Amino acid sequence: DQQVKQNSPSLSVQEGRISILNCDYTNSMFDYFLWYKKYPAEGPTFLISISSIKDKNEDGRFTVFLNKSAKHLSLHIVPSQPGDSAVYFCAASVGSNYKLTFGKGTLLTVNP
Amino acid sequence: EPEVTQTPSHQVTQMGQEVILRCVPISNHLYFYWYRQILGQKVEFLVSFYNNEISEKSEIFDDQFSVERPDGSNFTLKIRSTKLEDSAMYFCASSNGGARGALHFGNGTRLTVT
Repeated sequence: DQQVKQNSPSLSVQEGRISILNCDYTNSMFDYFLWYKKYPAEGPTFLISISSIKDKNEDGRFTVFLNKSAKHLSLHIVPSQPGDSAVYFCAASVGSNYKLTFGKGTLLTVNP
Repeated sequence: EPEVTQTPSHQVTQMGQEVILRCVPISNHLYFYWYRQILGQKVEFLVSFYNNEISEKSEIFDDQFSVERPDGSNFTLKIRSTKLEDSAMYFCASSNGGARGALHFGNGTRLTVT
């Protein structure tokens, strides 16, 4: 079951630069997308979300872009900080329920 | 900030034993969930619970699994007869159901079945 795919298992960037995390999905019924951040020994923490009626949502240093035709979304973190180092999960849902389908995650390392 | 609390943080059990994982959701939340993550794999939905009944469950959530809200604060996941493949991190989550606000996850219980 690969409905949500994060093809990069890891990403390393320098502090202050942009981090771009990518996610692809195959289920065209998905209409709500979320990004979660996870530190070791903690549960996923909600970061930012976007509805399929939008193509961009911004919250401080975090921006999510959605390209419905390509079934692709990305998370941009600018500027990246060492505290952003974590595993980032892309997730999607259909309708108003909270049955989230997750990607496998991307480990982001921000180097000082 | 209110948080979802899970106990224990780590549970070791023998195959065939019953195990109960406990969660205290955020107090004003009405929707409750269990997810799990087998080591190296995706976080997977198990079950959602609202108004004292299961609202949706995945194919993973078979007859060996059950959920209960025994009082006004706890939400439990019971596995009746554990198998080796039940070893995973189990995450409880809750939401207030508003405007597709995000789920709030607990820190998880690592279940090891030997």
